[in-house]
Amino acid sequence: GAVVSQHPSRVICKSGTSVKIECRSLDFQATTMFWYRQFPKKSLMLMATSNEGSKATYEQGVEKDKFLINHASLTLSTLTVTSAHPEDSSFYICSATTRGEGGYTFGSGTRLTVV
Amino acid sequence: GQQLNQSPQSMFIQEGEDVSMNCTSSSIFNTWLWYKQDPGEGPVLLIALYKAGELTSNGRLTAQFGITRKDSFLNISASIPSDVGIYFCAGAGGTSYGKLTFGQGTILTVHP
Repeated sequence: GAVVSQHPSRVICKSGTSVKIECRSLDFQATTMFWYRQFPKKSLMLMATSNEGSKATYEQGVEKDKFLINHASLTLSTLTVTSAHPEDSSFYICSATTRGEGGYTFGSGTRLTVV
Repeated sequence: GQQLNQSPQSMFIQEGEDVSMNCTSSSIFNTWLWYKQDPGEGPVLLIALYKAGELTSNGRLTAQFGITRKDSFLNISASIPSDVGIYFCAGAGGTSYGKLTFGQGTILTVHP
């Protein structure tokens, strides 16, 4: 089945630094990737939708200059949290889908802690 | 915007009992999905429903896509301790590659 690899699984960074999270589709080409943020025991909150080769579409209230998304290839999307602050600490999850397949596969998530 | 109302928010059951959870929406969805999430992990797809009225089983799991396309339920029979986790329903709109709308989740605890 479709596999999505997300890296790193955990990261601790200092306030003011930037962190990059990678999302890779291992055995299929992902035309669209989604980035979510999740707080403890809460549902997934969609942050942005990225289509390969074009700019990401951000949900209302999500700062596109803070959460930079790049989807340069059909198998890789990255989320960079710039100038991270403690309030950015959260669980970030990506998912990937391919046009016409109808499936949504999720990565295993990244626990970001900003100290 | 579209919203999914999932209930119950949490359940505490004994091993062996059956479980039922459901989602309702004010909008129509073309696809309903049920996911399970373990702590510190991403959601894993349990069942996908593509047709109104469709009833699908996956082992001890059974899910149905409501005939109005505005609701769905998930049943788990004979629960076991490893069923513990958070269960989410999710709906997708007109295209299979469109974004998902998630329910609030159901936290399931199974006592041995």
